[in-house]
Amino acid sequence: QQQVKQSPQSLIVQKGGISIINCAYENTAFDYFPWYQQFPGKGPALLIAIRPDVSEKKEGRFTISFNKSAKQFSLHIMDSQPGDSATYFCAASMGGNMLTFGGGTRLMVKP
Amino acid sequence: KAGVTQTPRYLIKTRGQQVTLSCSPISGHRSVSWYQQTPGQGLQFLFEYFSETQRNKGNFPGRFSGRQFSNSRSEMNVSTLELGDSALYLCASSLGPQGAGYGYTFGSGTRLTVV
Repeated sequence: QQQVKQSPQSLIVQKGGISIINCAYENTAFDYFPWYQQFPGKGPALLIAIRPDVSEKKEGRFTISFNKSAKQFSLHIMDSQPGDSATYFCAASMGGNMLTFGGGTRLMVKP
Repeated sequence: KAGVTQTPRYLIKTRGQQVTLSCSPISGHRSVSWYQQTPGQGLQFLFEYFSETQRNKGNFPGRFSGRQFSNSRSEMNVSTLELGDSALYLCASSLGPQGAGYGYTFGSGTRLTVV
């Protein structure tokens, strides 16, 4: 199974709130799990990534939580800002350059 | 340091025509991967090239092909265009085939519209 399932499809959060996006995967051979942020007219940009030997990784306001036994991982955006309004994609790969992407989450942060 | 450059940015083609898209990777990056992005199917992997050789291929028909030159620049070609080929085509470059965790960077894409 190559699928990565992402939820929710869209999310509205008030400024200063916490945005949470979830992903689930089936293939236990995946060993790299990045999150990408995409603005209209731009390509995806790497936000933060994690490998399965770590349960949590934090970079600034962005945190990945990883649950290997449940085959789930999530992105938490603390103190969400209007500038965070974008589409977010989770992805997974198996030691190579082929990424399998989730369906995307359109985040809107209201001022 | 220049990023990944994709040309052209926008393209309008007619059904049945063919199209060639170009991708210049970040200097020093030798691996180039291509993706198709559509509202319905999301981001889907097309193929990856390293040292002028195709290493991986996604689940796309043979109308989609690519190549890589000795300077690591890559082109992808779509023949006999169909309306469903309308999409944003993205390329990503990385240092090598050792994994997407090593400098994997996307370009801004080529928006192809088939009419």
